[in-house]
Amino acid sequence: DAKTTQPNSMESNEEEPVHLPCNHSTISGTDYIHWYRQLPSQGPEYVIHGLTSNVNNRMASLAIAEDRKSSTLILHRATLRDAAVYYCILRFFPLTSGTYKYIFGTGTRLKVLA
Amino acid sequence: DAGVTQSPTHLIKTRGQQVTLRCSPKSGHDTVSWYQQALGQGPQFIFQYYEEEERQRGNFPDRFSGHQFPNYSSELNVNALLLGDSALYLCASSLLGDSSTDTQYFGPGTRLTVL
Repeated sequence: DAKTTQPNSMESNEEEPVHLPCNHSTISGTDYIHWYRQLPSQGPEYVIHGLTSNVNNRMASLAIAEDRKSSTLILHRATLRDAAVYYCILRFFPLTSGTYKYIFGTGTRLKVLA
Repeated sequence: DAGVTQSPTHLIKTRGQQVTLRCSPKSGHDTVSWYQQALGQGPQFIFQYYEEEERQRGNFPDRFSGHQFPNYSSELNVNALLLGDSALYLCASSLLGDSSTDTQYFGPGTRLTVL
């Protein structure tokens, strides 16, 4: 299974942009890149996902490198509520199963400073 | 629209016992996955159910088993509990469909403590 690599932790000041990097050098052509975040004492929640092109939604932006071996989650203005563990995940499709599989890495713990 | 629900919220068992955890998927979802999350770690994939069959399995022993019911809800069973089974057990549901839209929704988890 393809794996992702993320920094263990990052800090950001409130109301400043945050760029969370992820390396996935063994990604396959059909693997989607998903980002989830996990707030304290909660289950992970979906943030954004993409395949090749950059993606934007109300929560964040996802920038995907041209060779797809890395991606960056961008929070445009960090707030205290954004303090969480952010997981970069590859979603792939094992041919024998008929369903998608999500492989979590260790995640990046984001600390937002007031 | 109810999201993913899990029961119980917390559970305390002793070594050697058996436990059953339950999950109701988000309305309209047909696929359920289970994850184990040890303290300070990322979620580890246990297995996934679709059409009442186990479709994928992670690197977990046979002590971990599951079931999916016709209404898409699911159970996770763990036999012969070990201290190392203490963790947060997460259930996630999704709708198997267009590859561009398939995403998982997670429940709040069940915290299992094995003494």
